[in-house]
Amino acid sequence: NAGVTQTPKFRVLKTGQSMTLLCAQDMNHEYMYWYRQDPGMGLRLIHYSVGEGTTAKGEVPDGYNVSRLKKQNFLLGLESAAPSQTSVYFCASSNIPVTDTQYFGPGTRLTVL
Amino acid sequence: GQQVMQIPQYQHVQEGEDFTTYCNSSTTLSNIQWYKQRPGGHPVFLIQLVKSGEVKKQKRLTFQFGEAKKNSSLHITATQTTDVGTYFCAGRWGAQKLVFGQGTRLTINP
Repeated sequence: NAGVTQTPKFRVLKTGQSMTLLCAQDMNHEYMYWYRQDPGMGLRLIHYSVGEGTTAKGEVPDGYNVSRLKKQNFLLGLESAAPSQTSVYFCASSNIPVTDTQYFGPGTRLTVL
Repeated sequence: GQQVMQIPQYQHVQEGEDFTTYCNSSTTLSNIQWYKQRPGGHPVFLIQLVKSGEVKKQKRLTFQFGEAKKNSSLHITATQTTDVGTYFCAGRWGAQKLVFGQGTRLTINP
């Protein structure tokens, strides 16, 4: 039981490049989330999903897209990376309505030059 | 949108001293959760508080939820070096998504 995994762990992009971050969970959770963490800003919700095939915007969705084609996977895409997107990205999942405890992945550290 | 304000942003203590972090909301919360993030790690769930005035303990950690369900605190008694990290509260209002506070970074001088 791996819990929540994220790939890649680190990535450096140039401005304007695109990339996809992959999150996978093996706990059969319905809800999945993407957060970004910046110094002094806590965790801010980018997008989330309440089930396979559904996505919704969070607090800071601009510049990002997501897809949830399979229940266990949640992808975060950056179509044209900007330096402001330099951050640590965390994926999380929760087993709502049983409990809304969130289980986090190890994170992806992204630097955009 | 809704916010939870968490203070202090940083706290440095001597090992063995106590530590407290506070979270405040301007409106009534449905519940509040607490997470710990070790340096270089990811947030890990500690506890959830739901009831007005609720107090829960986990060994040296004491969590409180205010009577009005607008504030919460985490108190660590006699800190140890293993307590180092950032502590986040996360509040929920009704069916809305969790909103995290800015976190309190705890460092400890051994």
